[in-house]
Amino acid sequence: ETGVTQSPTHLIKTRGQQVTLRCSSQSGHNTVSWYQQALGQGPQFIFQYYREEENGRGNFPPRFSGLQFPNYSSELNVNALELDDSALYLCASSPKSRGNSYNEQFFGPGTRLTVL
Amino acid sequence: AQSVTQLDSQVPVFEEAPVELRCNYSSSVSVYLFWYVQYPNQGLQLLLKYLSGSTLVESINGFEAEFNKSQTSFHLRKPSVHISDTAEYFCAVSGGSYIPTFGRGTSLIVHP
Repeated sequence: ETGVTQSPTHLIKTRGQQVTLRCSSQSGHNTVSWYQQALGQGPQFIFQYYREEENGRGNFPPRFSGLQFPNYSSELNVNALELDDSALYLCASSPKSRGNSYNEQFFGPGTRLTVL
Repeated sequence: AQSVTQLDSQVPVFEEAPVELRCNYSSSVSVYLFWYVQYPNQGLQLLLKYLSGSTLVESINGFEAEFNKSQTSFHLRKPSVHISDTAEYFCAVSGGSYIPTFGRGTSLIVHP
């Protein structure tokens, strides 16, 4: 069974550019969440996708957007990059079921984004 | 709104010594509490969780944490640490959505 994978592992962009990060969820998982982890900080929730629809969003501006595909993989897009967007971006998948029960999130290794 | 305070940014300890990593939370609703561990260049792994029931929860590798509602704490303890426990530890709290709010992390450094 393959775990959560993310690509690329590292990325360098300049201010104002756009970036797309990718995440493949663990087999059987239909929910993907994205987090931003700045240096020396804990992860901050960006948004969650469940069956291709946004299912919750944290305190991030609209230039952070996402997609989930029919195979439950996901993309995080960031437009008009700013220096403060430099961070480790983590993806986590979980097997969300109907109802509101707890399902463990499994994290990928992250993509390190540097904005110059 | 929920928040987590991890009181120590770094905890150095010698191998085989006991350790406690402190975590306090604030929340206006019922809480679920988590500890995650992050090894260098890796993603987060769930170490243990409190959802309901017994206030003392344990992990498979010897860590334990106790939910203390009156003190709004969820401190992580291990009676005897190993070199391999060196990592970043994050406490997190969530409400009914189970989406965690993380603390800033505590770096556990185990010296031989």
